[in-house]
Amino acid sequence: DQQVKQNSPSLSVQEGRISILNCDYTNSMFDYFLWYKKYPAEGPTFLISISSIKDKNEDGRFTVFLNKSAKHLSLHIVPSQPGDSAVYFCAASRLSGYALNFGKGTSLLVTP
Amino acid sequence: DGGITQSPKYLFRKEGQNVTLSCEQNLNHDAMYWYRQDPGQGLRLIYYSQIVNDFQKGDIAEGYSVSREKKESFPLTVTSAQKNPTAFYLCASSIAGTGGAVSGYTFGSGTRLTVV
Repeated sequence: DQQVKQNSPSLSVQEGRISILNCDYTNSMFDYFLWYKKYPAEGPTFLISISSIKDKNEDGRFTVFLNKSAKHLSLHIVPSQPGDSAVYFCAASRLSGYALNFGKGTSLLVTP
Repeated sequence: DGGITQSPKYLFRKEGQNVTLSCEQNLNHDAMYWYRQDPGQGLRLIYYSQIVNDFQKGDIAEGYSVSREKKESFPLTVTSAQKNPTAFYLCASSIAGTGGAVSGYTFGSGTRLTVV
């Protein structure tokens, strides 16, 4: 039973434009939400996280927005760069004693 | 240089054989995890361990076994009971408790297992 859903398998964006990756979740007990970036045949790398008590968190070109009432979060990348081309995973967790639940990922392609 | 090491990178197994995937970390993390990635499936949790000598089943534990005898090591055995073992296996570690949720996991570079 998928508790974290990424409904767009792929996204293509021009270099310099904004990339918006979306994620929905079903479990209202989740306390933290995270985004990971993954290249083929490598492990995912942590990008940014947000607590359920916040609605926005920024780190450089990456911003995550959380809408708890809609059980929806999004990752904005501005400006997008070709090196951002990768698979992005959304993940969610309860605070203590639980493992991360991952979505299926969205493959982002940033074209020059 | 702290990190998490998975070995081997590629592994071939004959049907009916058990095989063990290695995962070692020197990050002093208490918690360790095993995930499996299949095309179009994302990352699915196999087993996780919050502390030495203790571990819990994840969503797809059937056909797998683990041990956690040392803080640094969390090997995964893929048994002959696992019906579709061909996949990319990822090991991760984190600070235990709230730390894993707040600062995320550190992942290894993965082991690709192929059953021949």
